[in-house]
Amino acid sequence: GAGVSQSPRYKVAKRGQDVALRCDPISGHVSLFWYQQALGQGPEFLTYFQNEAQLDKSGLPSDRFFAERPEGSVSTLKIQRTQQEDSAVYLCASSLVGRGYSSYNEQFFGPGTRLTVL
Amino acid sequence: RKEVEQDPGPFNVPEGATVAFNCTYSNSASQSFFWYRQDCRKEPKLLMSVYSSGNEDGRFTAQLNRASQYISLLIRDSKLSDSATYLCVVIFNNAGNMLTFGGGTRLMVKP
Repeated sequence: GAGVSQSPRYKVAKRGQDVALRCDPISGHVSLFWYQQALGQGPEFLTYFQNEAQLDKSGLPSDRFFAERPEGSVSTLKIQRTQQEDSAVYLCASSLVGRGYSSYNEQFFGPGTRLTVL
Repeated sequence: RKEVEQDPGPFNVPEGATVAFNCTYSNSASQSFFWYRQDCRKEPKLLMSVYSSGNEDGRFTAQLNRASQYISLLIRDSKLSDSATYLCVVIFNNAGNMLTFGGGTRLMVKP
């Protein structure tokens, strides 16, 4: 079956430009996560959705970052007034169930969007 | 100090070698532990979960030492296809299912 897809795969933005990154999770998956991976580093958590509710946005680095998942499926991560330090790969992951389950529910990652801010 | 720390490597080993990676985590209130594999310019993929009793999957053995707060991954009989970055991952208590990643250890297996 189809996995997590993300678009665009590559995005080059001029500093100050707004960008929107899209994530299509696996159909039926309740949980959706966004992570940011800088070059040579591990991914870092940005935000979490359970269905359409954004339950955790503690990892968003500034108020220029905004995420939404209005119908509980597709999610968009928006970055306003991009800065050079925003250059990274943005990874989306989904998992079948939401919080509250005692056992780990595997997160499946999309291929990421590589954002370069000039 | 990062919450999950790994030696970035690279570890350069010949085919057939045994190689081990360690990872330390700072928060003793930790719930679950994993190793993920990430190929160059690809997404991370779950390699294996790590249990206190230790677990093995073919050539891969993972172990957890809660008292010392470290996790290990042992790869026996290395293959060229094992070349990748290995990410140590922890879920801390009360973090939902949020994954906290180490910086990754790069492995290069050479013929």
